[in-house]
Amino acid sequence: KQEVTQIPAALSVPEGENLVLNCSFTDSAIYNLQWFRQDPGKGLTSLLLIQSSQREQTSGRLNASLDKSSGRSTLYIAASQPGDSATYLCAVPPYSGGYQKVTFGIGTKLQVIP
Amino acid sequence: EPEVTQTPSHQVTQMGQEVILRCVPISNHLYFYWYRQILGQKVEFLVSFYNNEISEKSEIFDDQFSVERPDGSNFTLKIRSTKLEDSAMYFCASSETLGYGYTFGSGTRLTVV
Repeated sequence: KQEVTQIPAALSVPEGENLVLNCSFTDSAIYNLQWFRQDPGKGLTSLLLIQSSQREQTSGRLNASLDKSSGRSTLYIAASQPGDSATYLCAVPPYSGGYQKVTFGIGTKLQVIP
Repeated sequence: EPEVTQTPSHQVTQMGQEVILRCVPISNHLYFYWYRQILGQKVEFLVSFYNNEISEKSEIFDDQFSVERPDGSNFTLKIRSTKLEDSAMYFCASSETLGYGYTFGSGTRLTVV
């Protein structure tokens, strides 16, 4: 059974700081890994998707890395802004076998202080 | 950019009542899903739907729950007799292929009183 852990649970940083959010998963047989952003009381916005064959994916100030063998992914946010304040979720679909259940971490709640 | 649309955004219902949550997935997507998030907890998988039938469901998805794709665009989640513990944010999602690139809706907050 896949378990996804995110550390830290909460993070507060001053504006402009670079930061790293961590995600670990217990079963390395994954299809891909997706990072989402969730604003309070809102839906899930996809940020980045990394295929299992990739090691990195970048979008603007965001960079996600994947080390499948060690069961880890990181989300790097450069030059953080107050608008980045949200909860960041890591999600792992299963590899195959017809299983479709995506396992989510509980998220890292980020607060960027102006 | 294509979106998954969910209605209503917030629904309050009395315990024991039936509710139907509605979703319009992205038009060329073939796989549809419902997830829920109880306040302060993880997003949990409920059910996946493909080719007009349930393809996988979790232990949460008991006989009180059902899903339907009544026409070519809508995808619904029905809870027959709501309980207090059904209070949660319910997310609909769709994907073009299995396990790849999920797009989530903005959710329906269900409050059972």
